[in-house]
Amino acid sequence: GAVVSQHPSRVICKSGTSVKIECRSLDFQATTMFWYRQFPKKSLMLMATSNEGSKATYEQGVEKDKFLINHASLTLSTLTVTSAHPEDSSFYICSAYPGQGAPGELFFGEGSRLTVL
Amino acid sequence: AQSVTQPDIHITVSEGASLELRCNYSYGATPYLFWYVQSPGQGLQLLLKYFSGDTLVQGIKGFEAEFKRSQSSFNLRKPSVHWSDAAEYFCAVGRGNTGFQKLVFGTGTRLLVSP
Repeated sequence: GAVVSQHPSRVICKSGTSVKIECRSLDFQATTMFWYRQFPKKSLMLMATSNEGSKATYEQGVEKDKFLINHASLTLSTLTVTSAHPEDSSFYICSAYPGQGAPGELFFGEGSRLTVL
Repeated sequence: AQSVTQPDIHITVSEGASLELRCNYSYGATPYLFWYVQSPGQGLQLLLKYFSGDTLVQGIKGFEAEFKRSQSSFNLRKPSVHWSDAAEYFCAVGRGNTGFQKLVFGTGTRLLVSP
């Protein structure tokens, strides 16, 4: 099946710094990618929809200035957590839609665990 | 708004025993329903999906799920569980007004398999 890779898988940073997480579709082009946040023992919460070549669409309640999303190519979307604080510590997951095939059939990355000290 | 409820936070099943994971959804129209499995260090993997047609859908790894509109349920089943099935399972519904690309997930059920 299609492969989506995230990097880094784990990152620890100091409070106030910025962290970039990459999401790559390795064997297909993804016109649309999604970023989720997963809290312990909670479901995945959709943060934003990333469309190649255009601005991301954020879900209600998600700070667009804190979570910068860039989808510069059909195989890469990045999530930058700016001025990170301990409350931003979480598991971030991306998914990608190939643009063809069954609706809703997404391919997920392995996730990136962010710890902010 | 769409929502998904997985009432069981965790379930323990003996290896070889049958399994049923519960999922209830709230959605106004005919839903697109999914079951995903998440293993440690791996991304979510699609087990099966329901869009329309036969209400009993077969998935990978021997899993199946049955859509019951009257009960707003989409329970996942497996007749004989293997130790490798231990993982977190998520039920999800696709949001129709977004082309079903945006998924609303339940809180997940952690499956533990005992010897």
